[in-house]
Order: sequence, then structure tokens, then C-alpha cells
Amino acid sequence: AQKVTQAQTEISVVEKEDVTLDCVYETRDTTYYLFWYKQPPSGELVFLIRRNSFDEQNEISGRYSWNFQKSTSSFNFTITASQVVDSAVYFCALSGQGGSEKLVFGKGTKLTVNP
Amino acid sequence: DTEVTQTPKHLVMGMTNKKSLKCEQHMGHRAMYWYKQKAKKPPELMFVYSYEKLSINESVPSRFSPECPNSSLLNLHLHALQPEDSALYLCASSPGVQGARSPLHFGNGTRLTVT
Repeated sequence: AQKVTQAQTEISVVEKEDVTLDCVYETRDTTYYLFWYKQPPSGELVFLIRRNSFDEQNEISGRYSWNFQKSTSSFNFTITASQVVDSAVYFCALSGQGGSEKLVFGKGTKLTVNP
Repeated sequence: DTEVTQTPKHLVMGMTNKKSLKCEQHMGHRAMYWYKQKAKKPPELMFVYSYEKLSINESVPSRFSPECPNSSLLNLHLHALQPEDSALYLCASSPGVQGARSPLHFGNGTRLTVT
């Protein structure tokens, strides 16, 4: 069975602080894909990043960075110099091999960035 | 602006009503999804259409009836709903050739209240 755990239910920071959102996953597949989605109050889920299981390179996109470590089954997300517009619920998700259309979501972490 | 358009944005219906949710995308995607999201929970997959054929039904009650008239449109017909069906209903699409390995593009959702 596949599982995604986001242990942090809610995080509150002050603007310009760095913040890391944790994601731990479980899967028996050798090929799998990990995702992060952002859900602002408007409701739409916005795709942020996809990583496949063979690519452990960390990625940076502006203030966002992702740390993928297969040894610890983790795919953590860091926002540097957070801004109020980063306030949202962030979901980590996993899709396994075999072409299944099913995406397994974590429970989400609600991030509040205060001015 | 989202590339997946959902209408209506809000819907209030009685338990005896019949209503439909609509979703449209013009990205040429061949897979379309319905998700249900309760407050403070992750999205839950309901249905997947792949190349206009229903490929996944996650044991959804028959009071929810999906329809895919063509590759750009996805409907969800609602009949005799219960108050516990009140939720945010999200439509998503993906290219379709890689299942859930492709990032999903979500609409803004329809917030449904059943009275």
C-alpha cells in the first residue's frame, strides 16, 4: 500500500522566515513519482513540482526548494524568505508505477505567513 | 487563470433536487478526474475518465453520476444527495498518457451545500 505522511498539520511563521514542510512516503514500487501541490483559499490546487524516484537531485525554483532523500523516504519542501502570499495548504502526493491514475495525497500542511 | 474551468462556483441544493456540475478544459488532455474534498481534508478521488471512457470509479454512491460527452467536457450529475455530500468538488485533467505520473491541472472547484 502507498501512504504519504505530512506530520505538520499547521505551521505559522512571520514574513521573511524560512519554513520547511515535511513529507514522508511509503511505497513498494521501485518507480514512483512525488508531487507537491499548493491550495490557496480560492480552492484550486496548483502543481508545484514532480520528482521521479530515479532523480534525487534537489531542485530550487526561486524561493522554493525541494530535498528528496530516498534513504529516508522523504521529500521535504522549503520556502525561503516566506511571504504572505505563500499562505495556503500544501499537499504532498505520490503516484506509483503501472500507469495508475490514482494519486495518493498526504493530509496537507496549512501554512500561515503573518506580516 | 486556471485552464480547467468549473461551473458553478457555488451550488446549494435540496436533497430531492437534481443538479449537474460542469468541467471544461482545452489543453488537449485525455484524462479527466473528479475529486471530492471535505474541509481540512485532502482531495479524495471519485472518478477518472481516460480517453472518454470511465476507467476508475472509487466505489462512489450511485447518486453521483459522471459523464464525459467529449474529450474537453466532464459532468457530474447529482441526484438525491445527502447533507454529508456537502464538499468542494474539484475537476482535474492530465495529458492521459502517463496516468497520475503526469501533473494534474485542477479547476477552482464547485462548493456544494446540500440542505
